[in-house]
Formats: sequence, structure tokens, C-alpha cells
Amino acid sequence: GQNIDQPTEMTATEGAIVQINCTYQTSGFNGLFWYQQHAGEAPTFLSYNVLDGLEEKGRFSSFLSRSKGYSYLLLKELQMKDSASYLCAVRDGGTYKYIFGTGTRLKVLA
Amino acid sequence: GAGVSQSPSNKVTEKGKDVELRCDPISGHTALYWYRQRLGQGLEFLIYFQGNSAPDKSGLPSDRFSAERTGESVSTLTIQRTQQEDSAVYLCASSQWSQGTEAFFGQGTRLTVV
Repeated sequence: GQNIDQPTEMTATEGAIVQINCTYQTSGFNGLFWYQQHAGEAPTFLSYNVLDGLEEKGRFSSFLSRSKGYSYLLLKELQMKDSASYLCAVRDGGTYKYIFGTGTRLKVLA
Repeated sequence: GAGVSQSPSNKVTEKGKDVELRCDPISGHTALYWYRQRLGQGLEFLIYFQGNSAPDKSGLPSDRFSAERTGESVSTLTIQRTQQEDSAVYLCASSQWSQGTEAFFGQGTRLTVV
């Protein structure tokens, strides 16, 4: 079976750093993806990890530990526009299907 | 086209009527996915097409839901005898079928059943 867990909501202050965790159990693994979704809009791709370690992209970084079934998305220097839902998704190893978690709603406060 | 295109963007229908939602994927993307997103919720997998393989229908919630895809192009999701609980945003995504490639989403169809 497949299961992906993320916190439902998080709140942080503008300029701060926030870490959004994701744990997963899947029957196969072909990469972990993070998406951002603003209210009323489609999800947009942020980052991808398939090997253990940290991938950095500007203010956003994503980490993966395959042995622990664990990933996090790190957002630095938070801006008000970062208020959105952040979706963790795992791509199944056999079918290449994307399975999404329920998303973490991040509120950035001034 | 340049991105994934979905139509209509909004659909209001009466309970019991059938609706058809359309998705036009990115050219060259062999994989196509349908997801449902209820208000404030995550993405619920519905169905997945990959090339000429049999589709993965494991997420369809009932036999009122069906989907088709013509080759590697347009897909339609049909909901028969709509119910109020079918009200949601239906998102379509497409991707290449290779490691390390992300899925690209359309803007979705907001379905309201009254």
C-alpha cells in the first residue's frame, strides 16, 4: 500500500525559515516531488529528489532519506507570497504513478 | 500546446445529470492523470493512462466515473448521474514516462452539483 503523511497546517513569520516534513510508505519508489499550490490555482512543481541528500534551489531546499521514508521542504527568508499549500508526492517505482499527500497549508504572517 | 489545457473551467450541473470533462495534455507526454480535489483537501488519485497500456482505474470512486484517452492525446472524464458529493475541482496532469520528470497540471475544472 501507499501512505504519505504531512502536517495539516503551519504558521511562520515573514523572513523566517520553515521546514515542512513528509513521511511516506510505498511499495516502490521512483522519486519524491514537492509542489506548491496557491488557493484556487493548480499545483506547480518545486523540487525533486531521488537520491538521499539535499537539493537546493534558491530559497527552497528539499531533503530525502530513502531508508527512513522521510523528506522535508525547507523555505528560507519567507515572504508573504509563500503562503500556500505544499504537497508532497511520491512516484511509484513500478507504475510511475504520482501519489500525493494531503498537503500542508502554510500561513506566513507579517 | 504549451501547457495542459482543461475545459470547461467551471461547470454547474443539476444532480442526476451527466458531465464530461476534457483534458488536453502537453504534446509528447505519454502519461496522463486525473485527480479530484475537494475544498481544502489534498489530491485524490482517480485514474492514470500510460501510452497504450491498460489504464490504472484503481482510484475511481464508483462506476459512475469513467475516463477515456485517445492514443497519447485528449482525455475525457465522464461522471454519470452526478451527486452533490461529486462537487470538487478535477485536475488533469501529464508527464513524460521517464525517471525524474515532474507532472504538469492543468488549471482544473471546478464542478458544482446543485
